[in-house]
Amino acid sequence: DAKTTQPPSMDCAEGRAANLPCNHSTISGNEYVYWYRQIHSQGPQYIIHGLKNNETNEMASLIITEDRKSSTLILPHATLRDTAVYYCIVRAFNAGNMLTFGGGTRLMVKP
Amino acid sequence: SQTIHQWPATLVQPVGSPLSLECTVEGTSNPNLYWYRQAAGRGLQLLFYSVGIGQISSEVPQNLSASRPQDRQFILSSKKLLLSDSGFYLCAWSRDNTGELFFGEGSRLTVL
Repeated sequence: DAKTTQPPSMDCAEGRAANLPCNHSTISGNEYVYWYRQIHSQGPQYIIHGLKNNETNEMASLIITEDRKSSTLILPHATLRDTAVYYCIVRAFNAGNMLTFGGGTRLMVKP
Repeated sequence: SQTIHQWPATLVQPVGSPLSLECTVEGTSNPNLYWYRQAAGRGLQLLFYSVGIGQISSEVPQNLSASRPQDRQFILSSKKLLLSDSGFYLCAWSRDNTGELFFGEGSRLTVL
C-alpha cells in the first residue's frame, strides 16, 4: 500500500469547516483513499473512501486532486464531538482488509 | 444489524501471567476478523487476521497468538505477558475486502 503523510495536529473552531489534508504521492492507479477517525479510547470509525471522483456522505466530503497525489477530508460544520485522530489510508480495492494505520492527524475542535 | 463485542474492557495483569481477550460478532456470517494493538500515543498495528475458522495469519512476530474456534469468535492469547504487551487491543470485522472495517470497543491491557 502507498504511504500517506498527514499533519500531526490541527485546530478548528466549532461550526466551521475542518479541512484535513493527506499526501499520497506514490498512490497507484488501483488504490483507493480511505478515511477513518478514532475518538479517544474508542475503536476507529470508517468515514468515507474514494478512487478519483469526489465523494460525499452524511459524515464528510472527500476531495481528491486530479493527479490523485493528495486528498482533503472536509467536515463541513465541525462540532466538539468531531475531536479525534483522523487516519488517511490508501489501499487497493479488494486487496484484503489489512489496513495500515499511520500516525494520523489529531483534530481539536474548539468552542 | 451487525454488532461486535470484545471483553474484558480493562485488564491489569502481572508480567508472566497468561492473557485471553475475546471478541464476538453477531448479525453476520463468515466475517473477516482482525486484532489490532495500539500502544500509547501511537497508531494501530495489525497483529492477526482471519478469513475463516482455524485460518489465522500473523503480521508481526510476538509472544501473542490468535485462534478462531467458531465462525464469529476471535480470541487473542498469550502464555506469558511481557511489559511491552501493554496497550489498547482492538478487534474488528469486515464483510468483504472493500476496506470498510468495523471495530469493537477495545480492551485496555496494562502489564505490571
